[in-house]
Amino acid sequence: GQNIDQPTEMTATEGAIVQINCTYQTSGFNGLFWYQQHAGEAPTFLSYNVLDGLEEKGRFSSFLSRSKGYSYLLLKELQMKVSASYLCAVMDSNYQLIWGAGTKLIIKP
Amino acid sequence: GAVVSQHPSRVICKSGTSVKIECRSLDFQATTMFWYRQFPKQSLMLMATSNEGSKATYEQGVEKDKFLINHASLTLSTLTVTSAHPEDSSFYICSARDVKAHTEAFFGQGTRLTVV
Repeated sequence: GQNIDQPTEMTATEGAIVQINCTYQTSGFNGLFWYQQHAGEAPTFLSYNVLDGLEEKGRFSSFLSRSKGYSYLLLKELQMKVSASYLCAVMDSNYQLIWGAGTKLIIKP
Repeated sequence: GAVVSQHPSRVICKSGTSVKIECRSLDFQATTMFWYRQFPKQSLMLMATSNEGSKATYEQGVEKDKFLINHASLTLSTLTVTSAHPEDSSFYICSARDVKAHTEAFFGQGTRLTVV
């Protein structure tokens, strides 16, 4: 079966750095996405990785290792407003998105 | 990024009535649209996948006669919740993709449905 694993909840301190991990087992691989979702709102796109390595975009970075079936989302200089759920999704060989359950990030002052 | 508009954002209806939710892609051709529901503190649950001009493909456990999906054009898909019950109260979200371009999914704003 297809499976995406990410921690249910993480807590970090304002101004710090946090890394949210995602491991996957899917039928084929055509890219991995990270989405941010605030409570009561729809997800918004953060990043897309299809090749191994690190993609940096301001305070957000996303890493992918295809051989390990592993990705992480790195958030730097945490601000209270990025308290949200972070969803990992993998596009399989049929170009369907398989969603993780999401990681709720709690940021404390 | 591409824009997907979902309407209405909130709706309250009486038990037994039907509710229609619209999802429009505003600046690209959405060959495929996805309908999700999300219960509080839970992840997205895919209900069905609709391809323009053909019947929707429903996920296991989703009643096709209760959740009617129409995708008549490349820019519009609708989800109708028929004979709604309180247990249908949820957050419904559509997303649209241009599958031929293998792009990411763009989400509508979501619809908070409350059945009383």
